[in-house]
Amino acid sequence: GENVEQHPSTLSVQEGDSAVIKCTYSDSASNYFPWYKQELGKRPQLIIDIRSNVGEKKDQRIAVTLNKTAKHFSLHITETQPEDSAVYFCAASIGTYDYKLSFGAGTTVTVRA
Amino acid sequence: ETGVTQSPTHLIKTRGQQVTLRCSSQSGHNTVSWYQQALGQGPQFIFQYYREEENGRGNFPPRFSGLQFPNYSSELNVNALELDDSALYLCASSLGAGGSISEQYFGPGTRLTVT
Repeated sequence: GENVEQHPSTLSVQEGDSAVIKCTYSDSASNYFPWYKQELGKRPQLIIDIRSNVGEKKDQRIAVTLNKTAKHFSLHITETQPEDSAVYFCAASIGTYDYKLSFGAGTTVTVRA
Repeated sequence: ETGVTQSPTHLIKTRGQQVTLRCSSQSGHNTVSWYQQALGQGPQFIFQYYREEENGRGNFPPRFSGLQFPNYSSELNVNALELDDSALYLCASSLGAGGSISEQYFGPGTRLTVT
């Protein structure tokens, strides 16, 4: 099955700086890679996703890059703000033709004011 | 907020008991996936239902079972509860068609505590 590793487990950044979270996956058939943000006591919220036919995708201050050869993908948050503080999860689809997800263990991001 | 709802919000059960959790998918979605999220961990895939049929299962024992109804809402049943079953149970709805992938949107979860 798919195995997703996520690093770092915790990340503290100064407000205005950038944050980068990296994930690796094992199943070369995976072709969908979403990122979720989960605030304390709340549901995971989809913040951005990327499919295997794309190398990079941006949405305002958030960007995701994918390297299929190396089987890793990264989340970049620029100009961080206190409301970016949360746990972020990467995920990879399990197989090509379905959309079950395997999640990383999460990164707790703290933005210091 | 997504249109995915779950009930109940919280539940306390005793070891050995059975529990049923419910999920209403977002309007227009025909696929429901269930995940177990232990404290401090990422969600773990339990199983998925597509058009009322199971469409894949993760590494969970048979005492975890599910159902999807014609309106695409879904139930997760857990028999013979164990202490390790204590977790947040999340359902996610999506639109599946011909193998294509659509985004999964999570419900608020049911917090299950087994004592």
